[in-house]
Amino acid sequence: RKEVEQDPGPFNVPEGATVAFNCTYSNSASQSFFWYRQDCRKEPKLLMSVYSSGNEDGRFTAQLNRASQYISLLIRDSKLSDSATYLCVVLFGNEKLTFGTGTRLTIIP
Amino acid sequence: DGGITQSPKYLFRKEGQNVTLSCEQNLNHDAMYWYRQDPGQGLRLIYYSQIVNDFQKGDIAEGYSVSREKKESFPLTVTSAQKNPTAFYLCASKYSGGVNNEQFFGPGTRLTVL
Repeated sequence: RKEVEQDPGPFNVPEGATVAFNCTYSNSASQSFFWYRQDCRKEPKLLMSVYSSGNEDGRFTAQLNRASQYISLLIRDSKLSDSATYLCVVLFGNEKLTFGTGTRLTIIP
Repeated sequence: DGGITQSPKYLFRKEGQNVTLSCEQNLNHDAMYWYRQDPGQGLRLIYYSQIVNDFQKGDIAEGYSVSREKKESFPLTVTSAQKNPTAFYLCASKYSGGVNNEQFFGPGTRLTVL
């Protein structure tokens, strides 16, 4: 089993729709969780950290379920500019991040 | 502007040659990291350094070497021993204090072996 697993997609979603991604992780001792966004041929950029209580940043909501070992990302009112690959990232221990392979999202006009 | 820079953006190498990829940051971050990304795979950790003059192997260190002589700089050498070096190489850094563990990435170097 991979340490961090994501559905690779692609997700093709009409503009204005709501889309959700899930990510599962294998190590129950994982400490920190993040969603990064990566545009084609660019570096990953932090979208948001994921906190135990769940957190929201504008149209984006992240949730953490420690009991089931998954995190989710919800995007509401999707925009064309949301088209990207979304990387689920988990911190094991103190320094080493483990990256999922990413979920590719395309917003269709 | 504070940030992480990597150079060159594109690099072509002949088989059997060593090449060095540059990574510089002016964010005053303590820790620095090197990853490689291949199509359809997640980022994989090559080496990381938490303080000057110290570094540790990541998951795929074979065929690579690093140095950390200055806090701002963490160059990666891809040696001829690396069997499949063509990839997108990403450098990252983070501040070791506090509770935030976010890593910030440079723009990357695309290495192609001819």
